[in-house]
Amino acid sequence: DTAVSQTPKYLVTQMGNDKSIKCEQNLGHDTMYWYKQDSKKFLKIMFSYNNKELIINETVPNRFSPKSPDKAHLNLHINSLELGDSAVYFCASTSGPFYGLAGGEQFFGPGTRLTVL
Amino acid sequence: ELKVEQNPLFLSMQEGKNYTIYCNYSTTSDRLYWYRQDPGKSLESLFVLLSNGAVKQEGRLMASLDTKARLSTLHITAAVHDLSATYFCAVASQKLVFGQGTRLTINP
Repeated sequence: DTAVSQTPKYLVTQMGNDKSIKCEQNLGHDTMYWYKQDSKKFLKIMFSYNNKELIINETVPNRFSPKSPDKAHLNLHINSLELGDSAVYFCASTSGPFYGLAGGEQFFGPGTRLTVL
Repeated sequence: ELKVEQNPLFLSMQEGKNYTIYCNYSTTSDRLYWYRQDPGKSLESLFVLLSNGAVKQEGRLMASLDTKARLSTLHITAAVHDLSATYFCAVASQKLVFGQGTRLTINP
């Protein structure tokens, strides 16, 4: 069984379009994340939800809006796509948030490669 | 703000040799992760280091953590081609901050 799954795996779209990426984890974890990996392989956190509540919101354009309908799902909607949004987006989950010893091993999804033309 | 720096960023080595990847970070943390990423793939967790002096080993890879020096090392012993990948360290505060990654190529 896949622990953290994402759909779609590849997404090719035109500038100005709106798109969504979905993520689901079956690990029973409380905390989920979205990361962006750019063309130079640099990984940066975008958002984190703990039990459906937003706990980390990095400096990300308002065009990006995460939604967590329940603690097993975290979706990412992107409005008015721009060329600079092209990247690989990874979803991840942990059994708790990172601070102190509450957090645990982090499991990553397979990634969604977004290409904006 | 927490900053994490890895070096080297690129490493090409021969099979059978030993080498070390370094991970320095700027502020206090008690949790450090090492990940492996193959081209076009996701991140695979290698080690979680939770305390000063922690050492973990898996096969030809050994990771250690010195929280006083704010330094972690990933040591590769007798490298084999299958270890070619990009290796990331990541340091936890209230979020996980990644190093730039070290692209390791092991030549036969």
